[in-house]
Amino acid sequence: AQTVTQSQPEMSVQEAETVTLSCTYDTSESDYYLFWYKQPPSRQMILVIRQEAYKQQNATENRFSVNFQKAAKSFSLKISDSQLGDAAMYFCAYRGQGGSEKLVFGKGMKLTVNP
Amino acid sequence: GAVVSQHPSWVICKSGTSVKIECRSLDFQATTMFWYRQFPKQSLMLMATSNEGSKATYEQGVEKDKFLINHASLTLSTLTVTSAHPEDSSFYICSAIGALPTYEQYFGPGTRLTVT
Repeated sequence: AQTVTQSQPEMSVQEAETVTLSCTYDTSESDYYLFWYKQPPSRQMILVIRQEAYKQQNATENRFSVNFQKAAKSFSLKISDSQLGDAAMYFCAYRGQGGSEKLVFGKGMKLTVNP
Repeated sequence: GAVVSQHPSWVICKSGTSVKIECRSLDFQATTMFWYRQFPKQSLMLMATSNEGSKATYEQGVEKDKFLINHASLTLSTLTVTSAHPEDSSFYICSAIGALPTYEQYFGPGTRLTVT
């Protein structure tokens, strides 16, 4: 079975600085998807970024970028120019290639942004 | 963008009663929906996979007779918590799978259930 590990339960960052959230996963599949989701205090799950395993290029979305190391099974999220609105729980997730595959979530990490 | 709604957003019920939570995909059809449970400061725990027109697939340890799931149409799935007890109090989240090519999961805003 696939597993996702987020080893840091909490992190903090100063506003305007950069922070990196770590995530490792385990799978025997070669094709899959990886995600970072944000859950602010409203508890609405928001997709931050998606990475297809077959793509070697790291995904980027504005201030958010990932470092995807397929051989190491590592998928970290870098948040640049951190903003107060980035404060939230962040979940790393894995999904197989099939259309109805379920998401496997990590335990999450609470990010605090200090003004 | 794809929107998933949940109703109600918050419900209080008395122990022993049943409560139904609706999950709707507003602008797309979803053959598959998922139901999650989330305790405070914890991750999402998948309860079941709901497929339109067929029985739901429950995760190990989830009581199918307590958590009844019905996916009657391509835009609606319901979760009924039967004979609710205080330990069923939690935050329940649904998600729906969109179409090709990414099959992205779109999440509802969640329902807070309090059983007194």
